[in-house]
Amino acid sequence: NAGVTQTPKFRILKIGQSMTLQCTQDMNHNYMYWYRQDPGMGLKLIYYSVGAGITDKGEVPNGYNVSRSTTEDFPLRLELAAPSQTSVYFCASSSVGAGANVLTFGAGSRLTVL
Amino acid sequence: DAKTTQPPSMDCAEGRAANLPCNHSTISGNEYVYWYRQIHSQGPQYIIHGLKNNETNEMASLIITEDRKSSTLILPHATLRDTAVYYCIVRLRTSGTYKYIFGTGTRLKVLA
Repeated sequence: NAGVTQTPKFRILKIGQSMTLQCTQDMNHNYMYWYRQDPGMGLKLIYYSVGAGITDKGEVPNGYNVSRSTTEDFPLRLELAAPSQTSVYFCASSSVGAGANVLTFGAGSRLTVL
Repeated sequence: DAKTTQPPSMDCAEGRAANLPCNHSTISGNEYVYWYRQIHSQGPQYIIHGLKNNETNEMASLIITEDRKSSTLILPHATLRDTAVYYCIVRLRTSGTYKYIFGTGTRLKVLA
């Protein structure tokens, strides 16, 4: 059981380049989330999805785009990379319901924009 | 937007109990409190969650006040490997969807 898998683990981009961070989960979770974490800071929610075809903005969505064509995949796209997007990105997923729904995180993708 | 408040840092002697407080005064009646920890820059790791009763698992205990406005995570015998940032989270429900907003957490340092 792989859980939440993120690729790549590390990436260096030049200003203005584009890239996609991949996130896949094999737990059949409806909810998926993207967070970023700047050095020494907490996690900030970028975008989240409640199911295939449905996405919504979080706290810091500017400069990013997402899509959710399948239950398993939730890619995060950076269209025009900027130094301010240098961060560690975490993908997470959870089941949905009125009870307790535990978040499961991926190992993270460390992005540097130069 | 964070609905929880935690002290920024705490120290604890190895072998002693670490008690990490969290204030969540705006929690709604049917929402759970979740605790996670993050070691270095790894993905946050789930520790425990609770609704209104005290909870215990192999990692920690969770004490929730009767009014549910605050809670305390207890690591009964802290080890050096428990040095991490600990996050207390309450799930937000907006327009029928759920999201988890992290605060800044408590940086716990376990001292030898």
